[in-house]
Amino acid sequence: GNSVTQMEGPVTLSEEAFLTINCTYTATGYPSLFWYVQYPGEGLQLLLKATKADDKGSNKGFEATYRKETTSFHLEKGSVQVSDSAVYFCALGRHNAGKSTFGDGTTLTVKP
Amino acid sequence: DVKVTQSSRYLVKRTGEKVFLECVQDMDHENMFWYRQDPGLGLRLIYFSYDVKMKEKGDIPEGYSVSREKKERFSLILESASTNQTSMYLCASSLEGLAGVETQYFGPGTRLLVL
Repeated sequence: GNSVTQMEGPVTLSEEAFLTINCTYTATGYPSLFWYVQYPGEGLQLLLKATKADDKGSNKGFEATYRKETTSFHLEKGSVQVSDSAVYFCALGRHNAGKSTFGDGTTLTVKP
Repeated sequence: DVKVTQSSRYLVKRTGEKVFLECVQDMDHENMFWYRQDPGLGLRLIYFSYDVKMKEKGDIPEGYSVSREKKERFSLILESASTNQTSMYLCASSLEGLAGVETQYFGPGTRLLVL
């Protein structure tokens, strides 16, 4: 079946540091890939997505590239801010299957 | 903007009570989902619905049921609440995409405590 494996947290960085959160997946066919973010006390919201191999999703300075050869979708940001402190979820979804499979989430804390 | 609302942010119930969690979306989405979120376990799908009166079990349906009588509303029911159902419950909705799986839009969550 489908599965998503995320880098374990928590991750603590200083402001302006470089961020990478690793995500690898197992799926049949050609899934869409997503990163969602959950700020404290809120539900999840879409951060970025990619629907086919070699697509790059980007938003708010975050980027992730859909790598079919390594079955990965790593999240990166060049310079994190305190306001980026949140839980980040990698997810995949397959066409016609409706539902998505989520990773366990990675908690990021950015210190001033 | 899509809005998904949940009836309560915090709820305290006693063991054995019947509990209703309500979710409403305002964007005419076909798909609706109920998840629970627990520390170290990520998001686990309880039930989902792809149309009115249609439902499918997710990964952890035991102890739960759902109801979708109208397209915009999806209810999660705990028939007899137990302490191991203390959790954060998240509702989500999405379009039925033609080109791929669509983005899910989440409500703010209901934190349920069962005593």
